[in-house]
Amino acid sequence: TQLLEQSPQFLSIQEGENLTVYCNSSSVFSSLQWYRQEPGEGPVLLVTVVTGGEVKKLKRLTFQFGDARKDSSLHITAAQPGDTGLYLCAGALRKNYGGSQGNLIFGKGTKLSVKP
Amino acid sequence: GAGVSQSPRYKVAKRGQDVALRCDPISGHVSLFWYQQALGQGPEFLTYFQNEAQLDKSGLPSDRFFAERPEGSVSTLKIQRTQQEDSAVYLCASSFLVVGPGEQYFGPGTRLTVT
Repeated sequence: TQLLEQSPQFLSIQEGENLTVYCNSSSVFSSLQWYRQEPGEGPVLLVTVVTGGEVKKLKRLTFQFGDARKDSSLHITAAQPGDTGLYLCAGALRKNYGGSQGNLIFGKGTKLSVKP
Repeated sequence: GAGVSQSPRYKVAKRGQDVALRCDPISGHVSLFWYQQALGQGPEFLTYFQNEAQLDKSGLPSDRFFAERPEGSVSTLKIQRTQQEDSAVYLCASSFLVVGPGEQYFGPGTRLTVT
């Protein structure tokens, strides 16, 4: 059972289109990160969200953390070919007594292809 | 700037051989993590160090996997008697914080192929 369900798994769109990637769980996370990974490289951190309901914007990318801290979304406006890559969500589990577990739980990723 | 570096970048091993994968974290980062990423999957946690102490090794798939960080900086992941199912990309990540948002910075990975 995947603790973090990410959808869609694959997404192929034309340049200029908008898209949303979802990350869902039944568990509560103390924080959630979004990474982008290129072939042959390690994941590169895009953003960290910590507070339930938090929204962060990074140029054309908008990240949202669910109110209950169990889900997150990544929205890209006017996608460009340079946005092509594997997008990973990753969460730090919230322990019952507070604080956060050290390791990250990753989703399977969304492979995005933006065609010119 | 100096990020996380890993070596070798690629390793081909015959089944049964031992391999050692090295990670140089970002200077001053207290926490170090090893992850395994199979083809088409997200990374999966293997083990975690805080300085030289290995605090969590719950993700190591078998006793053939061993990790160390003797001086609290460089870490080595060793796999003994490699099997084909060990073929994957092994990622190392480091973090300045021990608790908190858990932002981790990843190296480029070592792609291990066991033939």
